Amino acid sequence: DTGVSQDPRHKITKRGQNVTFRCDPISEHNRLYWYRQTLGQGPEFLTYFQNEAQLEKSRLLSDRFSAERPKGSFSTLEIQRTEQGDSAMYLCASSPTENTGELFFGEGSRLTVL
Amino acid sequence: AQRVTQPEKLLSVFKGAPVELKCNYSYSGSPELFWYVQYSRQRLQLLLRHISRESIKGFTADLNKGETSFHLKKPFAQEEDSAMYYCAPGRNSGNTPLVFGKGTRLSVIA
Repeated sequence: DTGVSQDPRHKITKRGQNVTFRCDPISEHNRLYWYRQTLGQGPEFLTYFQNEAQLEKSRLLSDRFSAERPKGSFSTLEIQRTEQGDSAMYLCASSPTENTGELFFGEGSRLTVL
Repeated sequence: AQRVTQPEKLLSVFKGAPVELKCNYSYSGSPELFWYVQYSRQRLQLLLRHISRESIKGFTADLNKGETSFHLKKPFAQEEDSAMYYCAPGRNSGNTPLVFGKGTRLSVIA
């Protein structure tokens, strides 16, 4: 296990298209988080899962954003009808249930909406 | 509301000089405080947490509840310390995700 992996690393799309990002957490980690990071800003929390349960989703930026973790392993983040303002780095992180506050981040998926 | 302020976007110091990266927070209850670091072309990773009272890579951070601050300090900066540093309060009970500041870029000049 080499850590949290995200795919794709880069995505360029046209406005109005749908995009999906995948995150594979560290295998023994029950918690999975999605953050968004724009230029000059710190990571902004979007949503997180405990196993397959989505415990917090009110911070998702709009109803165009949705996330799933159907089997409690990998997760997907989907953005429908993308807008130029969605251009950002989307970060995934995982942690053990005990949640010591240490999040293990992936390298991120960079989205560019033209 | 949870809020983190890192007042300096960029901090440049000479090698061997002391470093202090400032962090002030506004958080309901008693948060745990963390510093995360991102070196060039690497992932965001935990540097240290206040509850551990540890020194990592020569860095320490003291939680001042009265001033609601958690400044990161190192007595003698090294070139390899150049990176983005993010302050993050959270709650160790686990149901409140970390909130990150905007970050401070530390540049250590040889």
